[in-house]
Amino acid sequence: EADIYQTPRYLVIGTGKKITLECSQTMGHDKMYWYQQDPGMELHLIHYSYGVNSTEKGDLSSESTVSRIRTEHFPLTLESARPSHTSQYLCASSETRSSGANVLTFGAGSRLTVL
Amino acid sequence: KNQVEQSPQSLIILEGKNCTLQCNYTVSPFSNLRWYKQDTGRGPVSLTIMTFSENTKSNGRYTATLDADTKQSSLHITASQLSDSASYICVVSDRGSTLGRLYFGRGTQLTVWP
Repeated sequence: EADIYQTPRYLVIGTGKKITLECSQTMGHDKMYWYQQDPGMELHLIHYSYGVNSTEKGDLSSESTVSRIRTEHFPLTLESARPSHTSQYLCASSETRSSGANVLTFGAGSRLTVL
Repeated sequence: KNQVEQSPQSLIILEGKNCTLQCNYTVSPFSNLRWYKQDTGRGPVSLTIMTFSENTKSNGRYTATLDADTKQSSLHITASQLSDSASYICVVSDRGSTLGRLYFGRGTQLTVWP
């Protein structure tokens, strides 16, 4: 049972609207991530955070922004949604194992459709 | 260029049969390789993770192998069940940064028919 939660699971909105995708984890992980995934394609990292007040942009350019005010909470915001933002957004958090491997736990995802 | 290639892109098998999924990578320097299972509309769930020194690792009916010399990995599923229908994603991590950058394959879509 995953301890990382995303809301909403599905969202259909009109162009120009502001949206926030919520992500919370109860595992106490310092590192958190947002990935974007289109059907049949690989996951692309759009934002990550090493801890509170730390946020970085990922490999894929995104017009979204993130914040990390609390360890357990990592919301993603789009100020003005466009149809090109239609995608699945996956939140993840990670722990570092004794082997040094960074193991990710994913949320169920938020499917965003912008009309 | 660091890449992860998976084959086949999709696969259909009958319930109870075995199958093997392939993953080739060019990621360097290599740190570890993971296999994830992603059900439709859900987030990926970790199946196995292998470091450079590990050749094989099992998780129930799932067995992953790693050949770091040829940069190949396989995921073998034994006695498939309907619930195995999902996308299986190969993910390779490098040692180039503290974060350990992850390179994702596009996945193999497995469908198990009754």
